[in-house]
Amino acid sequence: GQNIDQPTEMTATEGAIVQINCTYQTSGFNGLFWYQQHAGEAPTFLSYNVLDGLEEKGRFSSFLSRSKGYSYLLLKELQMKDSASYLCAVDDSNYQLIWGAGTKLIIKP
Amino acid sequence: GAVVSQHPSWVICKSGTSVKIECRSLDFQATTMFWYRQFPKQSLMLMATSNEGSKATYEQGVEKDKFLINHASLTLSTLTVTSAHPEDSSFYICSARVLADNVYNEQFFGPGTRLTVL
Repeated sequence: GQNIDQPTEMTATEGAIVQINCTYQTSGFNGLFWYQQHAGEAPTFLSYNVLDGLEEKGRFSSFLSRSKGYSYLLLKELQMKDSASYLCAVDDSNYQLIWGAGTKLIIKP
Repeated sequence: GAVVSQHPSWVICKSGTSVKIECRSLDFQATTMFWYRQFPKQSLMLMATSNEGSKATYEQGVEKDKFLINHASLTLSTLTVTSAHPEDSSFYICSARVLADNVYNEQFFGPGTRLTVL
């Protein structure tokens, strides 16, 4: 079956760095997405990886290793507004998006 | 660019009534639109996938006669919750994506519709 695993919850301190991991097992791979979702709101797009390596976008970076079925989202200089759920999703061979359950990130002062 | 709107943003209705939710891609033509449901403190759950001009594909466990989806154009999809009951109260979110150069780009999400059935 298809499966995406990410931690349920993580806690970090304002100003620090946090890494949210995502492992996947899917039938084919056509890219991996990270979305941010604040409580009561719809998800917003953060990043897309289809080739191995690191994609950097401001304070956020996303890494992909296709051979390991692994990705992480790195958040630097954490701010209180980064408290949200972070969703990992993978496009399978049919371009069907398979969603992880999300990681709730709690930022403490 | 790539804005998706939903209407209404919230709705309260009586049990047994039907509710229609609209999802529009405002500045692009969406090859595919998706409908999700999200209960409090839970992850997104895909309900159905719809392509313009064809019948929607429903996920297992989603009643197609209860959740009617119409995708009449490349910019509009509607979800009708028929004979709504309190257990249908949820946050309904649509998204859209477009096939470009044989690659689907990211899904663009609407702001969501919060449905409360009394």
